[in-house]
Amino acid sequence: DQQVKQNSPSLSVQEGRISILNCDYTNSMFDYFLWYKKYPAEGPTFLISISSIKDKNEDGRFTVFLNKSAKHLSLHIVPSQPGDSAVYFCAASARDSSYKLIFGSGTRLLVRP
Amino acid sequence: DAGITQSPRHKVTETGTPVTLRCHQTENHRYMYWYRQDPGHGLRLIHYSYGVKDTDKGEVSDGYSVSRSKTEDFLLTLESATSSQTSVYFCAISGDRAYGYTFGSGTRLTVV
Repeated sequence: DQQVKQNSPSLSVQEGRISILNCDYTNSMFDYFLWYKKYPAEGPTFLISISSIKDKNEDGRFTVFLNKSAKHLSLHIVPSQPGDSAVYFCAASARDSSYKLIFGSGTRLLVRP
Repeated sequence: DAGITQSPRHKVTETGTPVTLRCHQTENHRYMYWYRQDPGHGLRLIHYSYGVKDTDKGEVSDGYSVSRSKTEDFLLTLESATSSQTSVYFCAISGDRAYGYTFGSGTRLTVV
């Protein structure tokens, strides 16, 4: 039973355009949502997060949107750059859960020059 | 990553042998985690620790044990390695919930 789902294994976008990565969750107890970026042969690195009390959080070219009623979040990257090519993981945690993060299966983003 | 190191980075071992992976942190964080990454599965939690000698199971704990005798070290042991445990293993530490985890660089383990 996957509590966090990323249904698109891959996404290809032209440089300069918008990249939209999607994530769905099932556990209504999740109250923090995060996105991680992973390059080959490296550990995942934190990108951006959002608390369930918000519906949007922005950091430079990265914006995360949260739709609690649909149990859906998305990561927008504008404009996309070739260096953004990586695997992106969505993750969520619940209050009083020892900070345990539940991860999605990842989406591989390719930004074409 | 700064503050967290994993060793070894690569290991090849034979089926049936015990293997221990080490995670070391210099951040003095209370929480430490072991994940494995496999294609199509993302990152799955094996075990975690919430303090010295305080550990608990994650979603894929069968065949694994952990120990934490000091704040800075968290060891993952495969008691008798199997081919299904071929994977990339990541250790992580946790501070502020808003920033999630800091991950180590990973250990690529191959069981032949």
